[in-house]
Amino acid sequence: NAGVTQTPKFQVLKTGQSMTLQCAQDMNHEYMSWYRQDPGMGLRLIHYSVGAGITDQGEVPNGYNVSRSTTEDFPLRLLSAAPSQTSVYFCASSSSRGNSPLHFGNGTRLTVT
Amino acid sequence: LAKTTQPISMDSYEGQEVNITCSHNNIATNDYITWYQQFPSQGPRFIIQGYKTKVTNEVASLFIPADRKSSTLSLPRVSLSDTAVYYCLVGDGLFGGYNKLIFGAGTRLAVHP
Repeated sequence: NAGVTQTPKFQVLKTGQSMTLQCAQDMNHEYMSWYRQDPGMGLRLIHYSVGAGITDQGEVPNGYNVSRSTTEDFPLRLLSAAPSQTSVYFCASSSSRGNSPLHFGNGTRLTVT
Repeated sequence: LAKTTQPISMDSYEGQEVNITCSHNNIATNDYITWYQQFPSQGPRFIIQGYKTKVTNEVASLFIPADRKSSTLSLPRVSLSDTAVYYCLVGDGLFGGYNKLIFGAGTRLAVHP
């Protein structure tokens, strides 16, 4: 069981470039989400999905797009990277059963110059 | 939304018991209390969850008083490897409630030799 897998681990972009951060889980979890974590701070929710074909915005959605075509995958797209999006991005998933904990990937460290 | 307050940082020594208290005055009837641990360069990891009284697992204990307005994570006999950031979250973890979970800055625990 791989759990939640995020790729790439590191990425450097130039302002204005676009890219997709990949997230896959093999636990058949219905719920998936993306967080960003800035230095010394907690995690902030970007987007989340409660199942294939269903997505919604979190606390800080601007500049990011998501889609959920399968249960396993939940990619995060940066449309036009900005230095303010320099951060560590974490993907998480959870079962729909009550109070199941979140399972996190090990993150993607993104730097936008 | 049930907001939590926890100390920004704590210091301890190997072999000591560490207690981290979290305040959540606005906890709702359906809310559970969940603690996560995060090591540098890793995603948060579930430690323990509870609703009332005391919960114990192989890693930690969680004490919740009758009014549920606070909770205390207890780590017995800490080692250097327990140095991490600990997050206290309060929420209704049922399907659809995860988007309301708030990760604050957490408590940065440093264990010294």
